[in-house]
Amino acid sequence: EADIYQTPRYLVIGTGKKITLECSQTMGHDKMYWYQQDPGMELHLIHYSYGVNSTEKGDLSSESTVSRIRTEHFPLTLESARPSHTSQYLCASSDQTAGYGYTFGSGTRLTVV
Amino acid sequence: QKEVEQNSGPLSVPEGAIASLNCTYSDRGSQSFFWYRQYSGKSPELIMFIYSNGDKEDGRFTAQLNKASQYVSLLIRDSQPSDSATYLCAVGAGSYQLTFGKGTKLSVIP
Repeated sequence: EADIYQTPRYLVIGTGKKITLECSQTMGHDKMYWYQQDPGMELHLIHYSYGVNSTEKGDLSSESTVSRIRTEHFPLTLESARPSHTSQYLCASSDQTAGYGYTFGSGTRLTVV
Repeated sequence: QKEVEQNSGPLSVPEGAIASLNCTYSDRGSQSFFWYRQYSGKSPELIMFIYSNGDKEDGRFTAQLNKASQYVSLLIRDSQPSDSATYLCAVGAGSYQLTFGKGTKLSVIP
């Protein structure tokens, strides 16, 4: 069973609202990632972090920000939600266990109305 | 641009048959190779990883790697309806990030 947790599991929110998607892992992994995935579509990397106080943007600019103040916690914030942000957001982490293969959380399905 | 290519499918196989899923990658420096299974509406789950040329077996699953041909495959023996899912190939090339393919949808017909 994966030890990486995402909350909320589902979220419906109005346009213009600020939201934070939570991701926490108990495995002590240094590397953490946020992906966006529409139903039946490919994964798009939004942000990643290789350790505390280290964050980078991925290939997809989603007008979001992340922080990594603690190893176990990697929240994603949307300052002003738009309908185009409607998607599934997946958090993942990795270390040398399984060769840096990712362990994914259960995801947050976001709907912006 | 690192690319990972998979046939999107759907690949349909009868129950009990061998399902063969294929993946090619563009970066010759790739060092690690992963297969994920993703059920509809769920998150990807790591099922196999391989580093060295040849075969790696785990239960009904066998991963095969050929670096010279830049090709990695996943065989599923005795396919079951519960194997019906999308299978994602992912490749690591030195950095910690993985490059994912778009996935192959497998349907196992009872």
